[in-house]
Amino acid sequence: DAGVTQSPTHLIKTRGQQVTLRCSPKSGHDTVSWYQQALGQGPQFIFQYYEEEERQRGNFPDRFSGHQFPNYSSELNVNALLLGDSALYLCASSFRPNTEAFFGQGTRLTVV
Amino acid sequence: GESVGLHLPTLSVQEGDNSIINCAYSNSASDYFIWYKQESGKGPQFIIDIRSNMDKRQGQRVTVLLNKTVKHLSLQIAATQPGDSAVYFCAENNNNDMRFGAGTRLTVKP
Repeated sequence: DAGVTQSPTHLIKTRGQQVTLRCSPKSGHDTVSWYQQALGQGPQFIFQYYEEEERQRGNFPDRFSGHQFPNYSSELNVNALLLGDSALYLCASSFRPNTEAFFGQGTRLTVV
Repeated sequence: GESVGLHLPTLSVQEGDNSIINCAYSNSASDYFIWYKQESGKGPQFIIDIRSNMDKRQGQRVTVLLNKTVKHLSLQIAATQPGDSAVYFCAENNNNDMRFGAGTRLTVKP
């Protein structure tokens, strides 16, 4: 049983560009949450998707958007990249919101 | 705003000793708490969770204690092993918004 998988594992983008990160949830899970983790800090909640809708959002600008597909996989899009967007982006899945969440290995995004 | 915080950024213990990692939370509306372990280069790994209607929950070598009166959460690791060395995060969940603390780095000395 594959756990949460994220792609790509590493990514380098130029300031001002746009990026799309992908996440496949653990088998049987229908809820996907995205987090940003800066070096040396805890993960910061970006948003959560359930039933293809954004259910909850953290304190992130509209440059951060997402989508959930009928197969429960999800994408995180970031527009107009800033140097400060460089971080590890983590996806977590669960069966229903507010239950045990499993994390993927993350996508390391570097903005230059 | 309200946030999750940790009392100590680092903790060093001798192999075989018990470890206690503490966490303070300030959002009294939070109803679900989770401890995660994160090793270098990996995503957080679920350790144990507890809901607000409980004050103690035990797993394999780990125990989580919740004191809602003082808004305090702790993770106890019995017979700490070198493989337990990692950063430990507590997280509180309120209405599907999960907030993490900054983490405590646990180092196990052989």
